[in-house]
Amino acid sequence: AQSVAQPEDQVNVAEGNPLTVKCTYSVSGNPYLFWYVQYPNRGLQFLLKYITGDNLVKGSYGFEAEFNKSQTSFHLKKPSALVSDSALYFCAVRDPYGNAGNMLTFGGGTRLMVKP
Amino acid sequence: DAGVTQSPTHLIKTRGQHVTLRCSPISGHKSVSWYQQVLGQGPQFIFQYYEKEERGRGNFPDRFSARQFPNYSSELNVNALLLGDSALYLCASSLVGSSGNTIYFGEGSWLTVV
Repeated sequence: AQSVAQPEDQVNVAEGNPLTVKCTYSVSGNPYLFWYVQYPNRGLQFLLKYITGDNLVKGSYGFEAEFNKSQTSFHLKKPSALVSDSALYFCAVRDPYGNAGNMLTFGGGTRLMVKP
Repeated sequence: DAGVTQSPTHLIKTRGQHVTLRCSPISGHKSVSWYQQVLGQGPQFIFQYYEKEERGRGNFPDRFSARQFPNYSSELNVNALLLGDSALYLCASSLVGSSGNTIYFGEGSWLTVV
């Protein structure tokens, strides 16, 4: 079975500083990995994904993520945080060889707080 | 282009009642999935449909059912509502053909069971 762990419930960072939101995964084969962001009382917005290729993936709003197969991690990063980045961030994994159709397995989420 | 659209946005139901939630996928997307997000948790997969057939099912009781229509829109039905069914229900759509395709989510339907 596939699983995702987001070890930090909340990450606090000052505006202008770099941010990292951590994610580790477990899947039987090569994973497909995704990051989504959720603003209060809203749905999920897609940020970026890793399917294959370059381990550093660039996404929306200046976010990027680094796939590390040996550490089974897919941490989300941004060089300079904005107050408007404050939101709930979810990491998700899909097993491309699984039998559960289009299923994404999500982590529990990490709340990012960026302070001015 | 319109994104994934869901209705209603909010609703309140009484225990034991039935609810129907509706979803229209992004134009050109033939796969629709449903997720339940309980407050404070990550979304949990309920169903995936495409070509009007169930293609995947999560660990949810038979009170939960869904269907997909010829225009690829979908309904999620929940019978005999319990207090624990109170959640944000998210619909998602994607292209078919590759499990690397991005899944796009709607704004969700907030269900409160009292």
